[in-house]
Amino acid sequence: ETGVTQSPTHLIKTRGQQVTLRCSSQSGHNTVSWYQQALGQGPQFIFQYYREEENGRGNFPPRFSGLQFPNYSSELNVNALELDDSALYLCASSRGGDEKLFFGSGTQLSVL
Amino acid sequence: AQSVTQLGSHVSVSEGALVLLRCNYSSSVPPYLFWYVQYPNQGLQLLLKYTSAATLVKGINGFEAEFKKSETSFHLTKPSAHMSDAAEYFCAVSDRANQGGKLIFGQGTELSVKP
Repeated sequence: ETGVTQSPTHLIKTRGQQVTLRCSSQSGHNTVSWYQQALGQGPQFIFQYYREEENGRGNFPPRFSGLQFPNYSSELNVNALELDDSALYLCASSRGGDEKLFFGSGTQLSVL
Repeated sequence: AQSVTQLGSHVSVSEGALVLLRCNYSSSVPPYLFWYVQYPNQGLQLLLKYTSAATLVKGINGFEAEFKKSETSFHLTKPSAHMSDAAEYFCAVSDRANQGGKLIFGQGTELSVKP
């Protein structure tokens, strides 16, 4: 059974650019949640995808968008990057209806 | 709205001493409560969860937490700290109706263990 994997592990972008982060969910999981963790803070919920549909969104602007694919892997896209977008982005997968999340190691995004 | 407050951004204990990490929650509905641990350069790992069964919840690595509704608390304890317990600990709450995935995390408490 493979765990949650995220790519890339590190990324450096400049302000105004666009970025795509990827997440492969754990085998058997159909739900993916994305979190943003700023330095020294707890993770903040961005959105969740369940069976390819967005299933809830946190307090993030529309330039944060996502996709979930038929194999339940997921992408997080951020347009018009801002300096404050610099953070660790965490993906977590779960079985629909199960509150137990399995987290990946994250993608560290730096916006210069 | 739900929220979580972790008291103390940094806690330091000696090896073998009691570990106590504090968490208070606010929720208008019966909550699910969680403790996660994060080691450097890693994602979060679930330590334990409370979902309305027993109020004393036992987790992995010898940790446990007690749900106290009257105090709106869910403090994490371990009788004897080990060097390997040094990490960041996060308390989180979710709305039972959310069916998982949408957690609200506290700010975290960094645990240091001195030899």
